Amino acid sequence: DAKTTQPTSMDCAEGRAANLPCNHSTISGNEYVYWYRQIHSQGPQYIIHGLKNNETNEMASLIITEDRKSSTLILPHATLRDTAVYYCIVSAGGTSYGKLTFGQGTILTVHP
Amino acid sequence: NAGVTQTPKFRVLKTGQSMTLLCAQDMNHEYMYWYRQDPGMGLRLIHYSVGEGTTAKGEVPDGYNVSRLKKQNFLLGLESAAPSQTSVYFCASRPRTGGRGYQETQYFGPGTRLLVL
Repeated sequence: DAKTTQPTSMDCAEGRAANLPCNHSTISGNEYVYWYRQIHSQGPQYIIHGLKNNETNEMASLIITEDRKSSTLILPHATLRDTAVYYCIVSAGGTSYGKLTFGQGTILTVHP
Repeated sequence: NAGVTQTPKFRVLKTGQSMTLLCAQDMNHEYMYWYRQDPGMGLRLIHYSVGEGTTAKGEVPDGYNVSRLKKQNFLLGLESAAPSQTSVYFCASRPRTGGRGYQETQYFGPGTRLLVL
């Protein structure tokens, strides 16, 4: 699976959009981009995933560049409860057991 | 629908003691996983199961054993605990199929904090 690079930490003001970047320049054609987050002391939580089209759900939007070498997770109106570590994961899926490789992630701190 | 639950939430062991961590899911998922998370590190896969009665090794299986006697339960055992096994343990599950791209949508439990003295 392709490796990802994320900033170590980011800050965001409450109510503003939080834009979390992820670089995955070695992504293969069959690999999806997944985003999970982990709020302090809790288990990771799935947010969203995509292949090449932009995706949106009730939690966030995922923007993937046309060359698929990078993506951005957008939390449109960040709240204090969005403070967490955000993981960008690239995986082909379809393996015999499924695989998630968690890196260091981005620590997002939402300020009042 | 409780999702994925883990028992116990917290445990302190002495070196050499044994214990079993229980993971239960009520979503009828085929696949289940055990991860460990150490400070400042991402999650690392210990063991996983692709169905009732099956188990397989992940990245860091040494010192652990698992069993999947029932579809809804996945047990993680430490036969002789060591201080290096002090960690937070997370269980996860997912369905066998769900369309392209959904294979990696895993549902995680709240974690078990284990301290080995």
